[in-house]
Amino acid sequence: SQKIEQNSEALNIQEGKTATLTCNYTNYSPAYLQWYRQDPGRGPVFLLLIRENEKEKRKERLKVTFDTTLKQSLFHITASQPADSATYLCALGLYGNNRLAFGKGNQVVVIP
Amino acid sequence: GAVVSQHPSWVICKSGTSVKIECRSLDFQATTMFWYRQFPKQSLMLMATSNEGSKATYEQGVEKDKFLINHASLTLSTLTVTSAHPEDSSFYICSAPGASVPPRRYFGPGTRLTVL
Repeated sequence: SQKIEQNSEALNIQEGKTATLTCNYTNYSPAYLQWYRQDPGRGPVFLLLIRENEKEKRKERLKVTFDTTLKQSLFHITASQPADSATYLCALGLYGNNRLAFGKGNQVVVIP
Repeated sequence: GAVVSQHPSWVICKSGTSVKIECRSLDFQATTMFWYRQFPKQSLMLMATSNEGSKATYEQGVEKDKFLINHASLTLSTLTVTSAHPEDSSFYICSAPGASVPPRRYFGPGTRLTVL
């Protein structure tokens, strides 16, 4: 069966450190992968997109990697700040349609 | 940037009543909009894809007669939960794709529905 796995346990991290989140998938062949941030009681906000032929993407303090052999994406927040505390969702973009398959999200708590 | 609004942001209703949720793209046109439901600590579950000027496409297991979707214009899609029951209580979120290729999704702020 198809699965998208993100760590269900919250990641507690000290301010200034790098937070790393993992998104693993099974039985998907995504054309691209997106990461979103979701705050409690709010809709997700787009952060980054990485295509299957790209290894790494950066945006300010964010970095995403995509390994289609391992079927895994890593999401990094460098120099983390308390304002980065949120849930981060990975989403797989599938070939041939406009659909996105979302993971459950991984909560990050940055401790001042 | 593109903005999607939703109204209402929260609603409490009695069992058996119907509730309408509006989703608007404020500064861009959306021929397609997506409706999701999200339970606490769970992923976004796609309920249906609404298409401007035609019928919505529902995901397997989603009752068409219970969750009525209308996409009346290029900027407005509505979801009506008919004869709501407590098990329909959830967080409902709409989204619209942007113009980039592949498209990023612009999400509304969500509607918290509580059915008593």
